[in-house]
Amino acid sequence: GQNIDQPTEMTATEGAIVQINCTYQTSGFNGLFWYQQHAGEAPTFLSYNVLDGLEEKGRFSSFLSRSKGYSYLLLKELQMKDSASYLCAVRDRGTDKLIFGTGTRLQVFP
Amino acid sequence: DSGVTQTPKHLITATGQRVTLRCSPRSGDLSVYWYQQSLDQGLQFLIQYYNGEERAKGNILERFSAQQFPDLHSELNLSSLELGDSALYFCASSEEGSATEAFFGQGTRLTVV
Repeated sequence: GQNIDQPTEMTATEGAIVQINCTYQTSGFNGLFWYQQHAGEAPTFLSYNVLDGLEEKGRFSSFLSRSKGYSYLLLKELQMKDSASYLCAVRDRGTDKLIFGTGTRLQVFP
Repeated sequence: DSGVTQTPKHLITATGQRVTLRCSPRSGDLSVYWYQQSLDQGLQFLIQYYNGEERAKGNILERFSAQQFPDLHSELNLSSLELGDSALYFCASSEEGSATEAFFGQGTRLTVV
């Protein structure tokens, strides 16, 4: 089975940098995804990691260490619109099912 | 617009009733996933279909069932509804292969009264 852990809530200031951590345990790993979800809306894809290292995409970067079962999402130059939940998800090898953590609710303050 | 269409957007029904939620995946996507999201909760994986066949099952109740049709659209049937079934139900689809993200529909908000 899979177990995915993320902090429940985080706060940060506009313009700052925030790092959201995710640890996972899985019987078969085939990629890690980060999604953003605003309240009541559909999750939207942010990033994907399958190999160790850092993937950068604009203000957002995601890091993966498979040996440690660890990932983080780094958000730079925070904006008010970044206030949302950030969901870490692991893809299962074999079935390709996507299992989500409970999400981290980020609040950005002026 | 993700290309995944879910209907209806909102549904209000009474306890004990049965409802059907519908999902049309993105063109060409063979995998369909169903998730339940209760208030302030994470996405709970219910079930996955691939090209018409059930591929993976999560914590789906026996009162719930799903299927994927030859045209690849999928339906989630919820029966003997209880107050606790009130939630957002999301459908997602993805291409074949693991290196692709899943695209989510806008969800169906089910309220059981």
